[in-house]
Amino acid sequence: SQQGEEDPQALSIQEGENATMNCSYKTSINNLQWYRQNSGRGLVHLILIRSNEREKHSGRLRVTLDTSKKSSSLLITASRAADTASYFCATDAGLTGGGNKLTFGTGTQLKVEL
Amino acid sequence: DAEITQSPRHKITETGRQVTLACHQTWNHNNMFWYRQDLGHGLRLIHYSYGVHDTNKGEVSDGYSVSRSNTEDLPLTLESAASSQTSVYFCASSDSQGASTGELFFGEGSRLTVL
Repeated sequence: SQQGEEDPQALSIQEGENATMNCSYKTSINNLQWYRQNSGRGLVHLILIRSNEREKHSGRLRVTLDTSKKSSSLLITASRAADTASYFCATDAGLTGGGNKLTFGTGTQLKVEL
Repeated sequence: DAEITQSPRHKITETGRQVTLACHQTWNHNNMFWYRQDLGHGLRLIHYSYGVHDTNKGEVSDGYSVSRSNTEDLPLTLESAASSQTSVYFCASSDSQGASTGELFFGEGSRLTVL
């Protein structure tokens, strides 16, 4: 079963707009990570946020984590056509979750139109 | 530059045949993982390894096996391929970070079709 569920499943915006994707998970975590996947390619790591962190920035990316609500959001500011991709959240439940491994959500397909 | 490579990138096989997908990483990472990706399911963990001679079952391990004889390689074997195993398979690796899982580095994927 999936630990993380992304919302929305698909998102279409205009270039220059901000894109927000949400991720909800079920169990306690050590950290939560966001990945990007371009069509036909492997996943690429974007950002990692630890359970004791509430917000993290990397370039045009902003990630928030609310452990009380078991949710995270990824904000991409000033989106570009090149940001078109699928975005996945992944959770590390740590040793209590069966070992050091990541469980992925089903992803959000982002399309940025010119 | 360090990398992780998968082969073959595309394979078509018949039901009942044995298939092995190769994964080779030059990061010298202890942890290696195999996921499958299917529409509507995201990525699901098949098997993983924390080091040489260590293997563990993931969420969807039935019909698959792995072995880890060295740090660099984690081949995935489908003993008797089934149509339900048609999927895109991703190998990934990560460095050990104690109790926490760090960033995963992914290969480009192997697309398997079982007819």
